[in-house]
Formats: sequence, C-alpha cells, structure tokens
Amino acid sequence: EAGVVQSPRYKIIEKKQPVAFWCNPISGHNTLYWYRQNLGQGPELLIRYENEEAVDDSQLPKDRFSAERLKGVDSTLKIQPAELGDSAVYLCASSRDGSYNEQFFGPGTRLTVL
Amino acid sequence: AQTVTQSQPEMSVQEAETVTLSCTYDTSESDYYLFWYKQPPSRQMILVIRQEAYKQQNATENRFSVNFQKAAKSFSLKISDSQLGDAAMYFCAYRSAGFGNEKLTFGTGTRLTIIP
Repeated sequence: EAGVVQSPRYKIIEKKQPVAFWCNPISGHNTLYWYRQNLGQGPELLIRYENEEAVDDSQLPKDRFSAERLKGVDSTLKIQPAELGDSAVYLCASSRDGSYNEQFFGPGTRLTVL
Repeated sequence: AQTVTQSQPEMSVQEAETVTLSCTYDTSESDYYLFWYKQPPSRQMILVIRQEAYKQQNATENRFSVNFQKAAKSFSLKISDSQLGDAAMYFCAYRSAGFGNEKLTFGTGTRLTIIP
C-alpha cells in the first residue's frame, strides 16, 4: 500500500511569491489533514477535510492561505503571497476516517521564503 | 485548550541501554488518546505507540512501552535495548476522543541520540 505522497519535497521562493503544495492521501482514506511544523516545534493543524468538506480550518490564516480537496481525494494547499514567517515544513496526513484511526503522515514539503 | 509539554529538548543513550522520554499534558477532558511519534531526518512522522485514556494498562509495542499516569497527566515513553535506528525526534501528542475534534496537539519534541 502506497503511503501519503507529497510534492515538492523542497521549495525556495522569494517573499510575496505564490506557492502551492500537493498531497495524495492513502487510497480509501476519507480524512485529510494539513499541518505546519515550524523549526524546533511540533506540527500544528492548519485544516482538516472529511472527504471534500473542510470541517476544521480554524487555524488556517485565511488572508493568504487557501486549500482545496476536489473530489475528496488529493489536496492542494496554497499560500499567496508568501511571507518570511511562512518558512516551515508543511505536512499532509490522512486517516481512514476521523475517529480513532491512526493518522499516516507524508514526508512533508520544506518551504524556504527568502 | 489542551497543551502538551516535553521538557527534555535532547536526550542521549548508549546503544543497548534503556532511555525514558518525558511528556506531560493539560486537559479538562476525561476521554482522550495519547501518542508518541518518531520523526527521523526524512521528516516522515511514524507512530510509535498509542494509549487510550480509558485503559489503565500501559501500552507496549516490542521495545517501546509507556508509563501512563492519568491523575498526574503524565505519559512517558521507555525505549529498551536502544538501537542506532532509534535516533530521531520524538513527539508526544494528544487527541480528544470527542467527535469532530480529531486534530493532534503535539509537544515540542525530544531529540534522541544513540551513542554507539
């Protein structure tokens, strides 16, 4: 069974530029999470999807961040425009459903904003 | 809101020895889950062990075991017979058992070094 796939693995951009991250969850997993992990910190949830519906986006900075999960499968997280403070690792995770099932994480995208 | 505290930024242990990583948490809920995740340099978070709060018995997975003290809100991880492959960042995490609140709240992590 393939794991959670994320791309790109690394991204370096200038501030004020847009950037997008892509995630393909494990097949059959209905719940998808995006986390942000700042240097030296644990991951923090940005948004959670149940199928194609965003059910928890309370921590998503909506002025510059957006996300979508069309057809309830893969997902894209976008930042426009990027700021220096957005430099972090962006992790995607999925689970079979939103109950007690284990969350499986992807390898993340390391974003550097110059 | 729940918080998770890991007071040991770094730990080291001799290969084949035993090490314990500490974690405390704060919550007003009675039903929840606790986890230890391992994050090697590849960045992929890997679940090490899980504990349901309603279970009194401490969880065990091969060389990994926990000491869950619900009243003290403490959840430590013991790694026995440490191996070089155990070197990684270890994160303690909390998750409410309530429906609609499935996010994980992580601590700041402990970097574990294995000394050959």
